[in-house]
Amino acid sequence: AQSVTQPDIHITVSEGASLELRCNYSYGATPYLFWYVQSPGQGLQLLLKYFSGDTLVQGIKGFEAEFKRSQSSFNLRKPSVHWSDAAEYFCASSDWGKLQFGAGTQVVVTP
Amino acid sequence: DTGVSQDPRHKITKRGQNVTFRCDPISEHNRLYWYRQTLGQGPEFLTYFQNEAQLEKSRLLSDRFSAERPKGSFSTLEIQRTEQGDSAMYLCASSLEESGVGELFFGEGSRLTVL
Repeated sequence: AQSVTQPDIHITVSEGASLELRCNYSYGATPYLFWYVQSPGQGLQLLLKYFSGDTLVQGIKGFEAEFKRSQSSFNLRKPSVHWSDAAEYFCASSDWGKLQFGAGTQVVVTP
Repeated sequence: DTGVSQDPRHKITKRGQNVTFRCDPISEHNRLYWYRQTLGQGPEFLTYFQNEAQLEKSRLLSDRFSAERPKGSFSTLEIQRTEQGDSAMYLCASSLEESGVGELFFGEGSRLTVL
């Protein structure tokens, strides 16, 4: 079965600094990969997705992610974080239409 | 607002009581999913429907849990004889099935607290 792993449970970043969240997947073929964000008490919002083609995908809110088959990774990046980016971020892979989520990375933004 | 809506948003109940959650998906979406999320964890798949047919149920869905989508539109998730371990956020999502690519749109969830 497909799975994703998010190695970092918690990340603290200063406002204006860059952010990178790690995600590793386990699947033989090209997976369908997603990043979702969840603000406190809210549902999940899709940031971006990768199905095929260009390995660098752009998403909403200034986020991007890069698919690297050689490293089985799909890391999320943002060049300059804003206080409003404080949230929990989930990487997910699609398993015949069902999403399998990682455990999430909590992002704290400091002034 | 034409997003996924869930009701109620919060439910507090005593152990042993039954609770029911409702989900209204995006109107043209034929797939509907239920997930459970506990504190500090990612959402865990429970079950999903393609129109009115329930196609898959997770092992997490014990006999006390039942989900329906009678007319292929809204869905209900019922938990009978609730236990404290059922306390969680129950998330509903919908999608327009296209080759199983799995882009899901989520509601804001129904938070259950079992005392």
